[in-house]
Amino acid sequence: SQQGEEDPQALSIQEGENATMNCSYKTSINNLQWYRQNSGRGLVHLILIRSNEREKHSGRLRVTLDTSKKSSSLLITASRAADTASYFCAPDGGTSYGKLTFGQGTILTVHP
Amino acid sequence: DTAVSQTPKYLVTQMGNDKSIKCEQNLGHDTMYWYKQDSKKFLKIMFSYNNKELIINETVPNRFSPKSPDKAHLNLHINSLELGDSAVYFCASSLTGLQGETQYFGPGTRLLVL
Repeated sequence: SQQGEEDPQALSIQEGENATMNCSYKTSINNLQWYRQNSGRGLVHLILIRSNEREKHSGRLRVTLDTSKKSSSLLITASRAADTASYFCAPDGGTSYGKLTFGQGTILTVHP
Repeated sequence: DTAVSQTPKYLVTQMGNDKSIKCEQNLGHDTMYWYKQDSKKFLKIMFSYNNKELIINETVPNRFSPKSPDKAHLNLHINSLELGDSAVYFCASSLTGLQGETQYFGPGTRLLVL
């Protein structure tokens, strides 16, 4: 397994704006997951994208994957104050048995 | 009902003590994990058990010993606690433990070693 690196480290926006977070990784993957962590809570799975997919949607979330650039992005449209959280990507590759390694995350703050 | 629960939620203790953190999942999953999140928010896997058998054992001091009495429980015992052990410890579970599965996380145990 390998660690994803999220960028930017922190993002501050107004309610209603879109938020884009990026994730880069180093070696080839089978799939990549995004998780959210609200302050003082555990991680919650948001979406998984497989290496043969380029884009995936779930409600206001849109995830893209560019395997040639070894990068993924998470777009949250029409953000809400409740979207305030840290967002982590977890690339999952190799033969590691379900092992995920997370980066430092992007701290998203959505101002009402 | 809480899917993955941990006890205690907070743990404050002195250096040199021994402590345990308990985790239970009621999802019927075969695989459970322990993660450590440091002060900079990096979340790193420590151990993973599949059906009571250890399958992932990262480079963790042997003061840390996981125990899985059954597949619904994974406890973490820490001997001779050190200041650097202060962190948030998360338990998680997934259905079979294979790649690409969603992992379900507990609320975390905040450990502070004084």
